[in-house]
Amino acid sequence: KNQVEQSPQSLIILEGKNCTLQCNYTVSPFSNLRWYKQDTGRGPVSLTIMTFSENTKSNGRYTATLDADTKQSSLHITASQLSDSASYICVVSAYYPGGYNKLIFGAGTRLAVHP
Amino acid sequence: ETGVTQTPRHLVMGMTNKKSLKCEQHLGHNAMYWYKQSAKKPLELMFVYSLEERVENNSVPSRFSPECPNSSHLFLHLHTLQPEDSALYLCASSRQAPGGLTPKEQFFGPGTRLTVL
Repeated sequence: KNQVEQSPQSLIILEGKNCTLQCNYTVSPFSNLRWYKQDTGRGPVSLTIMTFSENTKSNGRYTATLDADTKQSSLHITASQLSDSASYICVVSAYYPGGYNKLIFGAGTRLAVHP
Repeated sequence: ETGVTQTPRHLVMGMTNKKSLKCEQHLGHNAMYWYKQSAKKPLELMFVYSLEERVENNSVPSRFSPECPNSSHLFLHLHTLQPEDSALYLCASSRQAPGGLTPKEQFFGPGTRLTVL
């Protein structure tokens, strides 16, 4: 069964600190993995997207890693800011011959950054 | 702004009403999606309009009816909804490349917060 599990469910950190969010998946055949940031009441915004051959990708203070062997990904946030408070969603895409893609969403990690 | 707009942003309707949600993308994409987001649950893909994707979600009830008149506009028609249909409904779009091997990043709209009384 294709699944995406994220941990922790929620996290509270102080402004300026670093944190790491985890994503484990059992999706096959794997196509790509994406991290989204979703502010409360708004649509998700893409942070990174990685294919099988990529093991790290950065977007400003956000750095995502991918280990396709262990089927794990992490999102590291450096020098957190109050505006980082949001839900972070891991999405894994499975690709099937014939052009059929299926997206499997994790439940998200809710991050709160406190001053 | 992501280039994907949705109207209305908030909607309250009774169980006997008929309403429609609208989505418009200004990114030149050729695929559009409807998602449902309930509290504390993962995003649920409802419908896809694309030449290269189809949705494996037979659990969407028939009281939700999508319409895609062209590649820039997407509608979700609602009728005789239930209170459990209250959720955030998100529209997304992407550029589909031939062959399907290129990562298809999706851009999301702000969502419509739907409340069914």
